[in-house]
Amino acid sequence: AIQMTQSPSSLSASVGDRVTITCRASQDIRNDLGWFRQKPGKAPKLLIYAASSLQTGVPSRFSGSGYGTDFTLTISNLQPEDFGTYYCLQDFDYPFTFGPGTRVDIK
Amino acid sequence: EEQLVESGGGLVRPGGSLRLSCEASGFSFKEYGMNWVRQAPGKGLEWVSSISESNKYIHYGDSVKGRFTISRDNAKNSLYLQMNSLRAEDTAVYYCARAVNIMDVWGRGTTVTVSS
Repeated sequence: AIQMTQSPSSLSASVGDRVTITCRASQDIRNDLGWFRQKPGKAPKLLIYAASSLQTGVPSRFSGSGYGTDFTLTISNLQPEDFGTYYCLQDFDYPFTFGPGTRVDIK
Repeated sequence: EEQLVESGGGLVRPGGSLRLSCEASGFSFKEYGMNWVRQAPGKGLEWVSSISESNKYIHYGDSVKGRFTISRDNAKNSLYLQMNSLRAEDTAVYYCARAVNIMDVWGRGTTVTVSS
């Protein structure tokens, strides 16, 4: 199975900051990667698909990049509502696998 | 509004069975593949199973293979997960998710607790 790693595991940032989360796959997954945010007690929400495509309705301060094994989610101008845990997910091959998550707190 | 609503969760003893349902509304269910994803208490997300729009392609995670069965009834706009031989480690919130743009629409989840 393809292993997904994320870094950092957690971060604390201020409103207005630029935040970067990285995700690494154990093998080439082309651009078959998505990013989700989950708030406590809620279902995950899709932010980015195909590594860099912004899901409809998601603010443009979210962006994704990467291809192959290394991917990045960037939140520019961090907002108070951006707290939560962020997960990457590969759908290049079964079994689909999620990264372990990155918890984002607002200072 | 595109919506998914899970049901069927509950408390079950180890070795028992449970059938989860996911009812879709607001979109043409028969045109889309679907997924089940779960989250154990305090843990991350784990993909469980996928089914194509026509039932032709089905996949399972290693941890549930041979015990869980995914199915769908397009006439009822419903997705199912039959869970047998349940273990304590199957305790989780189970979400269904539509397979568009990876997974674009999610339900609120249903909680399964496996305990004696």
